[in-house]
Amino acid sequence: GQNIDQPTEMTATEGAIVQINCTYQTSGFNGLFWYQQHAGEAPTFLSYNVLDGLEEKGRFSSFLSRSKGYSYLLLKELQMKDSASYLCAVREEGGSYIPTFGRGTSLIVHP
Amino acid sequence: GAGVSQSPSNKVTEKGKDVELRCDPISGHTALYWYRQRLGQGLEFLIYFQGNSAPDKSGLPSDRFSAERTGESVSTLTIQRTQQEDSAVYLCASSLGLLNAGELFFGEGSRLTVL
Repeated sequence: GQNIDQPTEMTATEGAIVQINCTYQTSGFNGLFWYQQHAGEAPTFLSYNVLDGLEEKGRFSSFLSRSKGYSYLLLKELQMKDSASYLCAVREEGGSYIPTFGRGTSLIVHP
Repeated sequence: GAGVSQSPSNKVTEKGKDVELRCDPISGHTALYWYRQRLGQGLEFLIYFQGNSAPDKSGLPSDRFSAERTGESVSTLTIQRTQQEDSAVYLCASSLGLLNAGELFFGEGSRLTVL
């Protein structure tokens, strides 16, 4: 099974940069995913990392280090609409391929 | 449809009653997943379908929970003799196939409140 850990809550200022960390322990790694979930809405897929390194997609980037069991989601030029919960999910090798989600990090962006 | 559709969006029921939650996945998506999200908590995996088959039911919280899928399309999650602890948002998601699990497309969820 997996153990996924991420901070419960973070706050940041509009226009700034914020890094949301996720650490995990798994017996066989097969991919890490980040999702965004606005209050009362469905989670939406943000990024997927399976190899070490940084994946950039517009204002959002996701980094993975498999040897350290560590990932982060980097949000640049923060906007008020980025206030949401950010969920880290890890997929294990073999078995059902179903990702296990962390509890999520609630990000509050203030003016 | 264009996205994953779930119904009802809100359901309030009395303890002990049965409820049925429905999910219409994206057309052509062979894999379908049910998750539960309690207030302020992460997503708890319940069950998945590959086609109409559910190979692993161990995520279902108790034998009061069951799910089925027909025609590789619509799925229903049934909770019998509901308890207050069942109150949560039940999220359905679909993906092109099992190997695409992780890149999930979620519905808006069915919010269940058991009084």
